[in-house]
Amino acid sequence: DGGITQSPKYLFRKEGQNVTLSCEQNLNHDAMYWYRQDPGQGLRLIYYSQIVNDFQKGDIAEGYSVSREKKESFPLTVTSAQKNPTAFYLCASSPSGMTAAFFGQGTRLTVV
Amino acid sequence: QQQVKQSPQSLIVQKGGISIINCAYENTAFDYFPWYQQFPGKGPALLIAIRPDVSEKKEGRFTISFNKSAKQFSLHIMDSQPGDSATYFCAANYGGATNKLIFGTGTLLAVQP
Repeated sequence: DGGITQSPKYLFRKEGQNVTLSCEQNLNHDAMYWYRQDPGQGLRLIYYSQIVNDFQKGDIAEGYSVSREKKESFPLTVTSAQKNPTAFYLCASSPSGMTAAFFGQGTRLTVV
Repeated sequence: QQQVKQSPQSLIVQKGGISIINCAYENTAFDYFPWYQQFPGKGPALLIAIRPDVSEKKEGRFTISFNKSAKQFSLHIMDSQPGDSATYFCAANYGGATNKLIFGTGTLLAVQP
């Protein structure tokens, strides 16, 4: 089956720890995106990548980092510098020339 | 300038009725307007989309109406069903080199049987 796989589905982190969220796609899409979803705020763009080995900051990149070493993978690291990391994180991908057309099932991160 | 304003925040419709969700934008650089449907605990799914050179697009029970001069677009769900109960997001694509989506804040739709 083609699609976007995010793992894990639920993640708990202690304050002060970094954590990495996985996103893998087998759709052969060039572009990949990370969004954060909070209640009542819609989806906000964290980082995006249009080609391998290149990525750009979105609207709320502070406290996050990404890498794009392979076309199919776009992991997101939530660092200890992110002051309010508890949220629902969504990865998306799209073919070249389009925008976030396909979303994964999300990872719910909770800081304990 | 890059905001997309969505209303209402929540909506209750009777089965068989018409659900209408509205969005407004300011930036004329937006070049693509998709709607997403999201069920609890799931990722959004692309429902229907329109480009600004078209005034209406219909796919089954879902219709987008687009008013370029008023900078408004809306989603109409005809013959609403309980299975349509979900959160709906409008979005606008900021094209060019950036090519990124700006999302509305979402509308929680409940269709009562």
